[in-house]
Amino acid sequence: DSGVTQTPKHLITATGQRVTLRCSPRSGDLSVYWYQQSLDQGLQFLIQYYNGEERAKGNILERFSAQQFPDLHSELNLSSLELGDSALYFCASRRVGGNTIYFGEGSWLTVV
Amino acid sequence: TQLLEQSPQFLSIQEGENLTVYCNSSSVFSSLQWYRQEPGEGPVLLVTVVTGGEVKKLKRLTFQFGDARKDSSLHITAAQPGDTGLYLCAGELRGAGSYQLTFGKGTKLSVIP
Repeated sequence: DSGVTQTPKHLITATGQRVTLRCSPRSGDLSVYWYQQSLDQGLQFLIQYYNGEERAKGNILERFSAQQFPDLHSELNLSSLELGDSALYFCASRRVGGNTIYFGEGSWLTVV
Repeated sequence: TQLLEQSPQFLSIQEGENLTVYCNSSSVFSSLQWYRQEPGEGPVLLVTVVTGGEVKKLKRLTFQFGDARKDSSLHITAAQPGDTGLYLCAGELRGAGSYQLTFGKGTKLSVIP
């Protein structure tokens, strides 16, 4: 158990819909990362938050957004969903000064 | 284009055989990490290599960081079925106030009893 909690574990939704994925980082970790993993693209960095502020952006679509709340949990919002958004979405966290990123078990999103 | 290229993509070997997985890039990384991911779980860190030429051993696993810090290899001796999984390399990129990992697509290893 990495200490990073993600919900829901599985989600099936229709095209055009909007979903929210939730992440609770390890206790005390201020940095939260979101990654998307698909068969053809591998693990792609989406966005990083540090103590409530956006720190870095990767290959995140404009239809996607994220935020980190004062209690440090984070949410990834995916809207106008397309079939190609079906993937495993990981949240990860890191403590200040550490170089180890701890991953949650992921949220499986299937868009039908 | 993928910043980190891993090879081979798939590897199926018999128990007891040795294997090497490669991770190559044209970029220089501050450090390089190797992860192992099992189905239904998130990647788990195996090792971090920081210095060019560094070699680290973890039981039957040997990790090497290239002298120029652009490539790395993972060698497994006498593979066991429990080694089956997806092996990912990740390069650390340090930007202004940020710490990011960029991942390769992974090598899917199957060790047949």
